Amino acid sequence: ETGVTQSPTHLIKTRGQQVTLRCSSQSGHNTVSWYQQALGQGPQFIFQYYREEENGRGNFPPRFSGLQFPNYSSELNVNALELDDSALYLCASSTTPVGGLEKLFFGSGTQLSVL
Amino acid sequence: GQQLNQSPQSMFIQEGEDVSMNCTSSSIFNTWLWYKQEPGEGPVLLIALYKAGELTSNGRLTAQFGITRKDSFLNISASIPSDVGIYFCAGPIQGAQKLVFGQGTRLTINP
Repeated sequence: ETGVTQSPTHLIKTRGQQVTLRCSSQSGHNTVSWYQQALGQGPQFIFQYYREEENGRGNFPPRFSGLQFPNYSSELNVNALELDDSALYLCASSTTPVGGLEKLFFGSGTQLSVL
Repeated sequence: GQQLNQSPQSMFIQEGEDVSMNCTSSSIFNTWLWYKQEPGEGPVLLIALYKAGELTSNGRLTAQFGITRKDSFLNISASIPSDVGIYFCAGPIQGAQKLVFGQGTRLTINP
């Protein structure tokens, strides 16, 4: 078990709604990254949070936003949901924001379905 | 942006067979990573490669870092049912904080 926990495991929303996904990082990890994995594809980087601030962002629109809390846990918020937002959302934690990306530990993900 | 292309996209083999899959990129990577993902789980790191030409094993798994630094290979010997899953290659983007993943190779094993 990696120690990265995500909630909820599954979620169904309708187009236009907003959603919040949660992640608790592995003990001792201060950096959290979020990835989106569409069906049949590899994970795609959304953004990273370090010291409670966004520390790098992939090619995702501003309606994807996040937070990191003092205990290093994190939230991913998506506004104005679109059908294409249906995917597995993965949280990964690490002990450092740069370098050592091979030490990323992934959670089991939240499966989001947008109808 | 940098993309990783994996082949084959899927494999259907008999238990006991050896498996080979590869990953190519149009850009150079300084690190190559191989992950396995099982249903309902996140990716789990299998092997990390740091040097061109490097050959690294993890049990029945062996991975190689291509000498051009634009490709990598993963081999599984004597496959068993628990090898079923999706195998991803990935590489860190230098100076960034992210991994780029291939689209995966889905492995199915007939007992």
